[in-house]
Amino acid sequence: GAVVSQHPSWVICKSGTSVKIECRSLDFQATTMFWYRQFPKQSLMLMATSNEGSKATYEQGVEKDKFLINHASLTLSTLTVTSAHPEDSSFYICSAPGLGAAYEQYFGPGTRLTVT
Amino acid sequence: DAKTTQPPSMDCAEGRAANLPCNHSTISGNEYVYWYRQIHSQGPQYIIHGLKNNETNEMASLIITEDRKSSTLILPHATLRDTAVYYCIVRVSRGYQKVTFGIGTKLQVIP
Repeated sequence: GAVVSQHPSWVICKSGTSVKIECRSLDFQATTMFWYRQFPKQSLMLMATSNEGSKATYEQGVEKDKFLINHASLTLSTLTVTSAHPEDSSFYICSAPGLGAAYEQYFGPGTRLTVT
Repeated sequence: DAKTTQPPSMDCAEGRAANLPCNHSTISGNEYVYWYRQIHSQGPQYIIHGLKNNETNEMASLIITEDRKSSTLILPHATLRDTAVYYCIVRVSRGYQKVTFGIGTKLQVIP
């Protein structure tokens, strides 16, 4: 199956700083990628849809100026958490649709962000 | 996307078949049934999908009722590594179509 990677796998940053998370499709191209956030013992919550060459589409309640998404190529989308606060500490996961007719999603391994 | 209903938790003895049910009574004709699972602290993993026929792959089998209002994911011989949260999702098959997760079923495989 298709492989999606994320970098870094975990990161600790200080409050007020910015953190960039990369999501790459390793063996296929993805014009669309999705970013999720997951708090402990909760389900995945979709944050935004990343579109190659155009602006991301954010879900209701997600601050687009705080969570900057850039989908600069067909294999790379980045999520930048700007001016991070402790409440932004979470597990961030990206996904991309595969190339099969059913467009099943392939997920990255996730990035654990801790803001101190 | 159609709403799905899953039991919040299930137990299964190691080596036995795990049968995870999903109700999707409002499914539309062009919506697929997808199953994913998430092992603790990992990204979700795609398992299987189907439209109306039963499907089988190396991981699992998917049984969809004739009226398509419910389905069952079957792990034929559950192992401890199958302990995870299993998500049943119904959506149309478009690459740009977002995936919305419910709470899923927490499957605990017991030695």
